[in-house]
This record gives sequence, C-alpha cells and structure tokens, in this order.
Amino acid sequence: EAEVAQSPRYKITEKSQAVAFWCDPISGHATLYWYRQILGQGPELLVQFQDESVVDDSQLPKDRFSAERLKGVDSTLKIQPAELGDSAMYLCASSLTQVSGANVLTFGAGSRLTVL
Amino acid sequence: QKEVEQDPGPLSVPEGAIVSLNCTYSNSAFQYFMWYRQYSRKGPELLMYTYSSGNKEDGRFTAQVDKSSKYISLFIRDSQPSDSATYLCAMSRTGGGNKLTFGTGTQLKVEL
Repeated sequence: EAEVAQSPRYKITEKSQAVAFWCDPISGHATLYWYRQILGQGPELLVQFQDESVVDDSQLPKDRFSAERLKGVDSTLKIQPAELGDSAMYLCASSLTQVSGANVLTFGAGSRLTVL
Repeated sequence: QKEVEQDPGPLSVPEGAIVSLNCTYSNSAFQYFMWYRQYSRKGPELLMYTYSSGNKEDGRFTAQVDKSSKYISLFIRDSQPSDSATYLCAMSRTGGGNKLTFGTGTQLKVEL
C-alpha cells in the first residue's frame, strides 16, 4: 500500500536552533499539505502545494517557517529559529489533486518536534 | 468560536459497546465530511468519507451527516480494544482547495 514518507520521526532541539522536516508524498499525488498538530488538538494547515507552487500559506508563520517543493515531488519544511511553542507533530499529507470532494488526503506518520 | 467543535473526551467504554462520536460545525459551506482515526504517535488514517447529508456504513462503522443541524456522527458497533484511538472529524467545502478543517479529536478507550 502506498504511503507518505516523513523524516525524522522524532526531533529534539533547543530553542533558536534550526530544524527541517522532509516529506515524500504518494507517487503521482500533485497536492501536498503540511499540517501542525499541537498535543490535544486537531491538525491545522500550515501550507499547501499544487505541484511546485504554493496555493495556501495563510497560516504559515513566515518570519520563521519556510516550505518548498522544488521539483513538485518531495517537500521540506524548515523552522528557524525554533521556539518553545513550536513543539508539535508536523504532519505531511498528499492527495491526487486539490479539488475538494473525492480527493481524500493520505497522511504520513508525522514528525514529532520537541523544543527545549 | 471554532468552525468545528468536538468533545475531546476521554471516552471509556466496555468491549462490545456501541460508541457514538459527534461533531458540530458552523460553516454551512462544508459539503464533505470525514472521520479519521489516529493511534498514539501516528498520523491520522481515513476511516469514513461522506458527501452531503445521509448515512454511510462500512462494517462496524456508520457515519451520519445532518446538514440541517450541522451535526455529524460516527457510530462504532461491537467496539474492540483495537478501536482505542483518537477519532478526528474533518470537513471541507467545494472550491476550498481540498483544505480540511478538523475537530480537536475524541480520545476513545475500549476496555476488556
């Protein structure tokens, strides 16, 4: 069964350090999403790509977060500098297209970040 | 007020019980409704998907959508310890770019 791959699974860092997360979506999926899930809450969208283009980054804290999907396949989410409030699970998901409805999202296992 | 409200639980039931999980929402533009199951330290996995109002059944799981009341439910029959997880409702609207809005999740524990 096709999966969304994410790494690292766990990351512990000190505040003010830089961290990066990587995601490889299901082959052929044009749309890629990064969600952040704080403990005890539901996932919230940070950024959405259609191929290599950003289509929604309205909730991405752009002063410290950046995301790219250079060749329209895998993607990297970076935080610099990390803050204590960034401790969360970072989830990557993909879907065939961005058309609402039949294009269900498949999530990866997530990258859990702890900022000390 | 959040667009999607969900009781966080925790909900504890005995094995074999019928479980009812619910979400309410405020945005009448939502047309697509999903339930995801999330085991501890794992990503969410899609459990049920429903378009507009009505019921959908899949094995022990039944999803119901009542758009007039802005209320969705997930029923689990003959609950098993392996059903112990957090259940997240999610929804999206036509033209919304397939963006999902999630509830906070309900933590369920099915005890032997």
